[in-house]
Amino acid sequence: DTEVTQTPKHLVMGMTNKKSLKCEQHMGHRAMYWYKQKAKKPPELMFVYSYEKLSINESVPSRFSPECPNSSLLNLHLHALQPEDSALYLCASSRTGGPNTEAFFGQGTRLTVV
Amino acid sequence: LAKTTQPISMDSYEGQEVNITCSHNNIATNDYITWYQQFPSQGPRFIIQGYKTKVTNEVASLFIPADRKSSTLSLPRVSLSDTAVYYCLVGEGAGNNRKLIWGLGTSLGVNP
Repeated sequence: DTEVTQTPKHLVMGMTNKKSLKCEQHMGHRAMYWYKQKAKKPPELMFVYSYEKLSINESVPSRFSPECPNSSLLNLHLHALQPEDSALYLCASSRTGGPNTEAFFGQGTRLTVV
Repeated sequence: LAKTTQPISMDSYEGQEVNITCSHNNIATNDYITWYQQFPSQGPRFIIQGYKTKVTNEVASLFIPADRKSSTLSLPRVSLSDTAVYYCLVGEGAGNNRKLIWGLGTSLGVNP
């Protein structure tokens, strides 16, 4: 199983809503990532979890709150988002957290904030 | 600050070899060069990674000169399904804060 599964695939939310994005992998990877990708731009790193601990937060606004309940799961809690937060949110995992380790990406959640 | 530079777009025809070059003048001694492929509305997919000289797998080859300030991704005999964005990445930072830096990507169009 070399899959990273993200749910939901699409999400539309209002600016006052609270929602969560979910990510799951069963490859035994110990690093998991959240990326944000706008149209025609490269993915932007948001958070990195290594061995279930937050190791990198790329100065992401607090309206995005990551959570790693266990080594297979990664959540991104969303609250009071702005329309400019609309983007493709990608989850990835890798065997370890180093930059030279192959990362496996999910299909992403297409988020629209209205 | 490590960064990569690659062409914004390229066009090719089916059956041709495509070479995409990436510049990474400030690559660190212990950094590898990694390439990912991304189709529209999908997550990126790892293609190949190398440190020096030449690496080949079933999908592509990666050529890295001795000074490692650039690298060339070579896709042999492309098909329509190779139409995608190709990203060149190197590392940045130190210790637990090391992470990959994504280039802006090269949009490859393959024509029949």
